[in-house]
Amino acid sequence: DAGVIQSPRHEVTEMGQEVTLRCKPISGHDYLFWYRQTMMRGLELLIYFNNNVPIDDSGMPEDRFSAKMPNASFSTLKIQPSEPRDSAVYFCASSFGGAGKETQYFGPGTRLLVL
Amino acid sequence: ELKVEQNPLFLSMQEGKNYTIYCNYSTTSDRLYWYRQDPGKSLESLFVLLSNGAVKQEGRLMASLDTKARLSTLHITAAVHDLSATYFCAVGNYQLIWGAGTKLIIKP
Repeated sequence: DAGVIQSPRHEVTEMGQEVTLRCKPISGHDYLFWYRQTMMRGLELLIYFNNNVPIDDSGMPEDRFSAKMPNASFSTLKIQPSEPRDSAVYFCASSFGGAGKETQYFGPGTRLLVL
Repeated sequence: ELKVEQNPLFLSMQEGKNYTIYCNYSTTSDRLYWYRQDPGKSLESLFVLLSNGAVKQEGRLMASLDTKARLSTLHITAAVHDLSATYFCAVGNYQLIWGAGTKLIIKP
C-alpha cells in the first residue's frame, strides 16, 4: 500500500492567496483527519471525516479554513485568504474502523509557508 | 478538558543508557498511543495501549499504561543513536489530544 498521500509537499505563497492542500487516504480507511503542526502549538486536530462526512470541525481555526471530502479517496483543505500565521506543516491521517479509535496513519505532510 | 503532558520535553543521553519518558493525561481514556517523529518527517505509530496494565515492547522500546494513575511510560533500554527522534503520546477516542513531544537525542 502506498500509504497516505499528500500534495503538494511544499507550498510557498503570498498573504491573501488561496491555498489548497490535498490528501488521498489509505484505500479502505473510513476515517480521515487533518492536523496542523507548529512549534508554538504542537499538533492540533483541525477536522475529521467518517465515510466522507465531516464529524467535528471544532478545531478549524476560523472561517478562512474549509475542508471537503467528495469521495472516499480524496480530501482537500483550503485556506482562503492565507495569512503568515497559517505557516505550518499540515498532516492528513487516516484510520480504519473502530469508530475512529484505531491507529491513525499519517501522510508525509505539506509544509506551508505564507509570506 | 482533556490535557496531555509529557516529560521531559527534551532529553539528551548517551548510547547504552536507559531512560523513561512519561505521559500524564487529565481524564479517563480507553486508549493511549505513542508515535515517533524524525526531524522533517511524518509521524510513525509505535504502540497502542488499550487497557490498564497493558505493556508492549518493540526492540529497545517498551510502553506501559496505568489508567488509574492516568500515566503511560515509554522506556528506552540500552539506547542507540537510531532512536534519536521526537516521541509523542496521544490520548482520546475519535479526537486525539497530543502531548507536546519529547525530543530525544542519543549521543554515540
